[in-house]
Amino acid sequence: EVQLVESGGGLVKPGGSLRLSCAASGFTFSTYRAAWVRQAPGKGLEWVSSISGDSNYIFYADSVKGRFTISRDNTKNSLSLQMNSLRGEDTAVYYCARVRRDGDSVYFDYWGQGALVTVSS
Amino acid sequence: DIQMTQSPPSLSASVGDRVTITCRASQNIGSYLNWYQQKPRKAPKLLIYHASRLQSGVPSRFSGSGSGTDFTLTISSLQPEDFATYYCQQSYSTLIFTFGPGTKVDI
Repeated sequence: EVQLVESGGGLVKPGGSLRLSCAASGFTFSTYRAAWVRQAPGKGLEWVSSISGDSNYIFYADSVKGRFTISRDNTKNSLSLQMNSLRGEDTAVYYCARVRRDGDSVYFDYWGQGALVTVSS
Repeated sequence: DIQMTQSPPSLSASVGDRVTITCRASQNIGSYLNWYQQKPRKAPKLLIYHASRLQSGVPSRFSGSGSGTDFTLTISSLQPEDFATYYCQQSYSTLIFTFGPGTKVDI
């Protein structure tokens, strides 16, 4: 069974840092791309960052570029998001997702349960 | 960057109704369009990928259509468990993804 489990969320002051982790199981992690998606309270979904299976390709949303860093450890089946210089507008539930490429289709087929990050003084 | 819009932002419907949600991309994205359903305090769930392909396990009352810039999600006969928020997502750029703002379907 495919599972994605986020951890590392919590309360942090503006300007602070936090590292989210996502533990993957039930599939060959290294062969899939992965992504982080966030959802601010009462708002819609916002794509944050994506990473290829071999970490050679990494992309960020403009809203987090230069502050967040996505990485993965295929030996540990783990995805991470290092978040620095956090702002109030970064307050959100952060989801990790598996990115499936099926022929000419690309989509997020499995999601974690989410980790809440609150940025407040 | 590709921008996505959805209409309507919300709609009220009854059980048994046929519901249609529209998604528009700011440029031609071919069929690289996915639909997700999200219920309160839950992770999103994939419904439709590549504009019209039904994800395994998703009821056949859900269908998707469109290509280029205009897309539609249709629920042929709304069921109580379908009251949720629906998001479209473009995957044209492969590793850069954009979601639409969502359409909330309620009673």
